[in-house]
Amino acid sequence: DVKVTQSSRYLVKRTGEKVFLECVQDMDHENMFWYRQDPGLGLRLIYFSYDVKMKEKGDIPEGYSVSREKKERFSLILESASTNQTSMYLCASRQGARGNQPQHFGDGTRLSIL
Amino acid sequence: QQQVKQSPQSLIVQKGGISIINCAYENTAFDYFPWYQQFPGKGPALLIAIRPDVSEKKEGRFTISFNKSAKQFSLHIMDSQPGDSATYFCAASYFTSGSRLTFGEGTQLTVNP
Repeated sequence: DVKVTQSSRYLVKRTGEKVFLECVQDMDHENMFWYRQDPGLGLRLIYFSYDVKMKEKGDIPEGYSVSREKKERFSLILESASTNQTSMYLCASRQGARGNQPQHFGDGTRLSIL
Repeated sequence: QQQVKQSPQSLIVQKGGISIINCAYENTAFDYFPWYQQFPGKGPALLIAIRPDVSEKKEGRFTISFNKSAKQFSLHIMDSQPGDSATYFCAASYFTSGSRLTFGEGTQLTVNP
């Protein structure tokens, strides 16, 4: 079974802090994704990566950056956290780039910015 | 701009009933339509998916109906069970390489015993 592990289930940070969310997958998947989940808005794509050191912006990249130095690890960075970034963050991985291959999700990090 | 619209936002069904969740999309280039199921405290997981060359796909109690001309597709859960209580997301993407998913807003389904 594919396992996608997000380093924290709950995280509380202060406005202006630099925040790191970590995600690790154990199946040698090429593609990795970061989403945020908000009630009534579904899952919105922040950034994704097709391979090591490669990244592409999703629908809502403002205020975020990412890092993928190793194939199994994809980090989401909030450069200067703001209260409107309080949300559930979900990481996912996918074996290849074809659209019909399933994305495997972690259990999420609930981030609160005070 | 939301390219995939999902309704209803929440749904309450009695055990044994039929749950129906609807989605509409705008981009006619989409050619892969999956549904994801999310239980509380867990990430979403792929439930069932369809391509537009068929009008219906069934897996157990779960059926996707697809109407290409109307740009709509729906999930039917037959004989709904309390264990089906979850949030359901429809999504759309391109079948080809480099594709990413566009999700609907989600439907919180509650099946009462």
